Amino acid sequence: EPEVTQTPSHQVTQMGQEVILRCVPISNHLYFYWYRQILGQKVEFLVSFYNNEISEKSEIFDDQFSVERPDGSNFTLKIRSTKLEDSAMYFCASTGQSNQPQHFGDGTRLSIL
Amino acid sequence: SQELEQSPQSLIVQEGKNLTINCTSSKTLYGLYWYKQKYGEGLIFLMMLQKGGEEKSHEKITAKLDEKKQQSSLHITASQPSHAGIYLCGADNAGGADGLTFGKGTHLIIQP
Repeated sequence: EPEVTQTPSHQVTQMGQEVILRCVPISNHLYFYWYRQILGQKVEFLVSFYNNEISEKSEIFDDQFSVERPDGSNFTLKIRSTKLEDSAMYFCASTGQSNQPQHFGDGTRLSIL
Repeated sequence: SQELEQSPQSLIVQEGKNLTINCTSSKTLYGLYWYKQKYGEGLIFLMMLQKGGEEKSHEKITAKLDEKKQQSSLHITASQPSHAGIYLCGADNAGGADGLTFGKGTHLIIQP
């Protein structure tokens, strides 16, 4: 069964450094998402992406964050200058149609030192 | 903004027993999704409900959405160790390709 894959599984970065989290959505999907889950807290929506542009973003997704679909398969989340509070599990999700379930990857655990 | 309240927060059930998890929305739901998460892992899609009064079943799990589309329940019959994990309800209240709002989750432990 096709699945969403995320790399790396764990990323450790010094505060202030840039980090790029990578995702390969399911191949025929058109809608892409990033979520984060701080340890012990809810899964929170960050951003949705469709037709090569952001379709919705939450308050969390400030100017430090950006997303990109550099080619036909990858979908990336960049955090420009990481802060301690960016430490969380980051999930990528995709779906083929807007009213269909989103399928999630296993996540990237980001640890900021 | 959309808020989802899940109850109970945690649940310990003896293997073989039935259980129910509830999810209540502060707004009318366009779509309600149930996911399961194992600790430190990704979310696994279980079921999607969109119509008032809708009920879906898969193996020993049944999910229902009330007529007013503001409350959903997840029922597990004859629980097994494989059912252990965190159950999350997620809401789509816009009907488009927007992000989901999630509840805090229900931690389910199955005692042998």
